[in-house]
Amino acid sequence: GQQVMQIPQYQHVQEGEDFTTYCNSSTTLSNIQWYKQRPGGHPVFLIQLVKSGEVKKQKRLTFQFGEAKKNSSLHITATQTTDVGTYFCAGSSNAGNNRKLIWGLGTSLAVNP
Amino acid sequence: DTEVTQTPKHLVMGMTNKKSLKCEQHMGHRAMYWYKQKAKKPPELMFVYSYEKLSINESVPSRFSPECPNSSLLNLHLHALQPEDSALYLCASSQGRAPLNQPQHFGDGTRLSIL
Repeated sequence: GQQVMQIPQYQHVQEGEDFTTYCNSSTTLSNIQWYKQRPGGHPVFLIQLVKSGEVKKQKRLTFQFGEAKKNSSLHITATQTTDVGTYFCAGSSNAGNNRKLIWGLGTSLAVNP
Repeated sequence: DTEVTQTPKHLVMGMTNKKSLKCEQHMGHRAMYWYKQKAKKPPELMFVYSYEKLSINESVPSRFSPECPNSSLLNLHLHALQPEDSALYLCASSQGRAPLNQPQHFGDGTRLSIL
């Protein structure tokens, strides 16, 4: 079946270091969404990427969608303690008129002050 | 602050009880979702309503019964649940056109414990 693999599962960084999480899909995606979930909180939508090769920035966060629309990354520059949480990618697929949203398992980010 | 409101925030119930979870949104969204989330796992889709009609049921056991009384409200009726149903239940909403392709706005969730 369709899968979205997300790595790493955990990442522990010192405040100020950079952080990257990667998602890889077994099939071509129509779009990919990124969410952040703080400990004890709910998923919060960050961004949606639709176009092949798309790059979007939100302050210290940079999101990329691969040329083949099968992989994506989220890069955080100079992490802060407020970046702590689990980052999920969710890939949307319309294969055979059967719309699916496949979530990655998430990357949990811990930041040492 | 979240624009999707879920009640109650916490619920403890026995396996023979009947209870309901409620969700309300006032963003004009026409798609609403129920998810189940276990600790350290991604949300797991249960149901999708689009324009008040059930469009997706991810083979959820019949002890979970969704209801969408109008475009702003979504309920999840619970009956004869099992201990493994203990989880965080999240409601979300999005634009109705092409649900699952649209960004979703989540509520704070109901933390459910089955005794």
